[in-house]
Amino acid sequence: DAGVIQSPRHEVTEMGQEVTLRCKPISGHNSLFWYRQTMMRGLELLIYFNNNVPIDDSGMPEDRFSAKMPNASFSTLKIQPSEPRDSAVYFCASTQLGNNEQYFGPGTRLTVT
Amino acid sequence: AQSVTQLDSQVPVFEEAPVELRCNYSSSVSVYLFWYVQYPNQGLQLLLKYLSGSTLVESINGFEAEFNKSQTSFHLRKPSVHISDTAEYFCAVSGVTGGGNKLTFGTGTQLKVEL
Repeated sequence: DAGVIQSPRHEVTEMGQEVTLRCKPISGHNSLFWYRQTMMRGLELLIYFNNNVPIDDSGMPEDRFSAKMPNASFSTLKIQPSEPRDSAVYFCASTQLGNNEQYFGPGTRLTVT
Repeated sequence: AQSVTQLDSQVPVFEEAPVELRCNYSSSVSVYLFWYVQYPNQGLQLLLKYLSGSTLVESINGFEAEFNKSQTSFHLRKPSVHISDTAEYFCAVSGVTGGGNKLTFGTGTQLKVEL
């Protein structure tokens, strides 16, 4: 199994630009999570989906952030417009409903200058 | 809602020495507990978990953790660490009922093993 796939692995962009992060969960998993990791705030849950439906987006910092899951094998996290304080490592994780172990992708390191 | 406290942000230890990484949690419902490990520039990997049954759980690489309900703790221990154990360790909790598969993570403990 390829595991959770995230792209790009690194993204450098200028303030004000739109950024799209992508995630492909493990095949057969029906629960997907987006996290953000920074030195200051640690690991934060942004949003999660069950069966492609957003269940809890209370961690999404503000309206500049949006996430979609159009099908069971793909999800995006979009930031528009991006700001320097959005610089972080963004992780995607997946699991099967009823299974408590989440499988993490390698992360996308975002730098906004 | 649940919360997790990892009081130690960094723990330096010499190789072959024992180590304990502390984790305390708060929850109004019964919980599942987890330890994840993150090696540099990688995602998190599950190290071990407590769901039910024996309160002492072990990993394949010599770590163990004990669920203590009265003290609301789930400390991680290893009797003899190796250089390769250098990583960041995260304690996490989820509610047995409600919340789906949502995990709440602690702030992490950086374990640095020195020669």
